[in-house]
Amino acid sequence: GESVGLHLPTLSVQEGDNSIINCAYSNSASDYFIWYKQESGKGPQFIIDIRSNMDKRQGQRVTVLLNKTVKHLSLQIAATQPGDSAVYFCAEVNDSNYQLIWGAGTKLIIKP
Amino acid sequence: GAGVSQSPSNKVTEKGKDVELRCDPISGHTALYWYRQSLGQGLEFLIYFQGNSAPDKSGLPSDRFSAERTGGSVSTLTIQRTQQEDSAVYLCASSLGGAARGYTFGSGTRLTVV
Repeated sequence: GESVGLHLPTLSVQEGDNSIINCAYSNSASDYFIWYKQESGKGPQFIIDIRSNMDKRQGQRVTVLLNKTVKHLSLQIAATQPGDSAVYFCAEVNDSNYQLIWGAGTKLIIKP
Repeated sequence: GAGVSQSPSNKVTEKGKDVELRCDPISGHTALYWYRQSLGQGLEFLIYFQGNSAPDKSGLPSDRFSAERTGGSVSTLTIQRTQQEDSAVYLCASSLGGAARGYTFGSGTRLTVV
């Protein structure tokens, strides 16, 4: 079946450095991709999304890159801060389907 | 309300008992979703409500699980004869429509079956 997965379950980054979280997907028909951040004890929060016809999208301190050739999605966080500590999920969705297909998540740990 | 509210935040129940989990979506949001999340895992779709349409129950893992949404607002997820494998965080989300981008999640109900 179709799936979305993550390369690394845990990522440790020095405070102030940039973080890169990766995601592989298998459904080339997905219309867009979303990154969510989930802090301990909370529900997932939308961070940024990207449509399948785009390669890059930037937000505040975050950038999402989409490589359709290798079906790879990444989330870059600039100048990582302690508040960025969380589990990050990628998800894909089709416009014709309201369901999200979720990856397992990557835990981002910030070292002081 | 300002956000999606779920209650209780934590529930411990004995195996075999029934439980009810409640979700108050954002006012005006027509779409409501229930997901289940096991520790350290992604989200598993359970059920979807959209307006007055028949709900999509395709994600419910067994007939012990059911959900209803009264008056297009509050939703209740019921698990009958709970089993230990039902232990998880149950998350509710709502959105204005079917667009996944507009999901707003509640903080979830952590269910522990002992």
